[in-house]
Amino acid sequence: QYALTQPASMSGSPGQSITISCTGTNTDIGAYNYVSWYQQHPGKVPKLLIYAVNNRPSGVSDRFSGSKAANTASLTISGLQPEDEADYYCSSYTSSTPFIFGSGTKVTVL
Amino acid sequence: HVQLEQSGAEVRKPGASVKVSCKTSGYTFINHYMHWVRQAPGQGLEWMGIINPSVGSTSYAQKFQGRVTMTSDTSTGTVYMQLSSLRFEDTAVYYCARDPGLRLVEWFLPDWGQGTLVTVSS
Repeated sequence: QYALTQPASMSGSPGQSITISCTGTNTDIGAYNYVSWYQQHPGKVPKLLIYAVNNRPSGVSDRFSGSKAANTASLTISGLQPEDEADYYCSSYTSSTPFIFGSGTKVTVL
Repeated sequence: HVQLEQSGAEVRKPGASVKVSCKTSGYTFINHYMHWVRQAPGQGLEWMGIINPSVGSTSYAQKFQGRVTMTSDTSTGTVYMQLSSLRFEDTAVYYCARDPGLRLVEWFLPDWGQGTLVTVSS
């Protein structure tokens, strides 16, 4: 079972912005707008941050934003804060599986 | 509000089966598909499959085909995930997660159960 490709780790200082990439193919991210992003703190349940590429659920900070270009989706965290230190996962509908997650990115706030 | 209450931790021997339940409340059960996702210790999220609780139709990830069975009980608003022929590598936290689509699948997961740890150990 394949996974979308994310960088294993990223880091930034408080106040900075970081962008996490999520690379797929033309049978998943490139073909559909069913891209979503999740934040997971250690030992906690995943939390939805972004759905349908660039939509934020109510209650999610506007410091989180999503986008997509060709086969790659991105999550940008603006104004990085200590509480943003967590694991982040993308996901997408696919024409085969039919749903997959990314490999996950550990974000460290320096 | 939406609540998904999962059954407690389980320990099984290799080759055995486990059945995890997810009791729902706060919404109309038959109107929303339910996904199952697992996470092995220190690993990422892995999608296992989806069930339409209204009619019981399912779609499973190829990796679990033949070993997983997802069912629903409309009388109690509960969905179940049974995994058979357990292996050590099936040790994981198993989550149910509700799809928000109304009688269709939107393919994102705003509502999650608290997770059920299944440990496979001899």
